[in-house]
Amino acid sequence: AQSVTQPDIHITVSEGASLELRCNYSYGATPYLFWYVQSPGQGLQLLLKYFSGDTLVQGIKGFEAEFKRSQSSFNLRKPSVHWSDAAEYFCAVVRRSSGDKLTFGTGTRLAVRP
Amino acid sequence: DSGVTQTPKHLITATGQRVTLRCSPRSGDLSVYWYQQSLDQGLQFLIHYYNGEERAKGNILERFSAQQFPDLHSELNLSSLELGDSALYFCASSVREDETYNNEQFFGPGTRLTVL
Repeated sequence: AQSVTQPDIHITVSEGASLELRCNYSYGATPYLFWYVQSPGQGLQLLLKYFSGDTLVQGIKGFEAEFKRSQSSFNLRKPSVHWSDAAEYFCAVVRRSSGDKLTFGTGTRLAVRP
Repeated sequence: DSGVTQTPKHLITATGQRVTLRCSPRSGDLSVYWYQQSLDQGLQFLIHYYNGEERAKGNILERFSAQQFPDLHSELNLSSLELGDSALYFCASSVREDETYNNEQFFGPGTRLTVL
């Protein structure tokens, strides 16, 4: 069965610092990969996605992610964090043959220090 | 705003009761997905409907059922509620008729269910 691992439950960074959130997946073939953000009391918003092609994908709000097949990773990055980025971030994968369901990681809660 | 609407936003009920959660997908989207988010289980896929037909089931209890109607809105029915069913229930939609399939799912704001 496919799974998604987000090893960091909580991360705190200072405003203006760079950010990297880790995501590893286990699946035999290249899945579709996603990062979602959830602000307190809100739904899930898609930050970016990877289906194929260029392994460095750009998303909204200045986020990017890099797919590394050799490491089964899809880490999310941002060069300079803003206080408004404080939220919970979820990595997710889809395997079309599984009925297109999203399998989510456990999430990483990001706090931003002023 | 994702274009996906869910009602109600909050629901408080008692154990043993039955509730219905409603989801309206984005205009033209044919797929509806239901997910449950709880503290102990995280985000879990429940069920997927495409154009009125069930496509896939996930960790959905037998006490739970769903359907998608001809106008493409969907309802998730939860019965014989238990304390452990308290969670945030999300609906997502994808696939417009006029777009190539890409499986990007757009999430609604969720319904927070509290079972007392």
